[in-house]
Amino acid sequence: QKEVEQDPGPLSVPEGAIVSLNCTYSNSAFQYFMWYRQYSRKGPELLMYTYSSGNKEDGRFTAQVDKSSKYISLFIRDSQPSDSATYLCAMSADSSASKIIFGSGTRLSIRP
Amino acid sequence: GAGVSQSPSNKVTEKGKDVELRCDPISGHTALYWYRQSLGQGLEFLIYFQGNSAPDKSGLPSDRFSAERTGGSVSTLTIQRTQQEDSAVYLCASRITGLAGPSQETQYFGPGTRLLVL
Repeated sequence: QKEVEQDPGPLSVPEGAIVSLNCTYSNSAFQYFMWYRQYSRKGPELLMYTYSSGNKEDGRFTAQVDKSSKYISLFIRDSQPSDSATYLCAMSADSSASKIIFGSGTRLSIRP
Repeated sequence: GAGVSQSPSNKVTEKGKDVELRCDPISGHTALYWYRQSLGQGLEFLIYFQGNSAPDKSGLPSDRFSAERTGGSVSTLTIQRTQQEDSAVYLCASRITGLAGPSQETQYFGPGTRLLVL
């Protein structure tokens, strides 16, 4: 079993829809949770960062962490075609982040 | 630009040949990572450099893989006697350390080197 599981998709939704992306994990030591966005033929870029459980909102993006269920989510409101990308969840157990475990990524397509 | 750069952007090689991949991190970033991303897979950790400390090589898949970081800046990932299963995108990332707060966790990725072993 992988430490981090993520549905690879692809996920296709119409413009303006709310998108929900999710990851589950098995290591209860994880405390730092991240979402990266990766456009085609580019490196990943950090989108959201959260520590421990709770919600964090940044514009149209909301990250949720439920440590009791070992489940994290990223919500995108009012989705735009420019949001079409692969979204990778990532997590680490310590703040030094010497080793971050990534999910396999969910490929998202927003239809105009 | 001030971002992480990698070269070459694409590399096609024959099975059995050696390849060298280069990473130029952001100036001042003391931490440097190499990852491998295969089609439909997440990022697979390969190696981590932090300052003058001994690198964490725990992710290297075999002894055909090695990496060095000269002068705390540029890093080279070398794959000897390449195999077809080595075909992937190799990503480098750098991170500043010594800061408190979430900014410490931000890894800045380069565009990657796409390696194809025939």
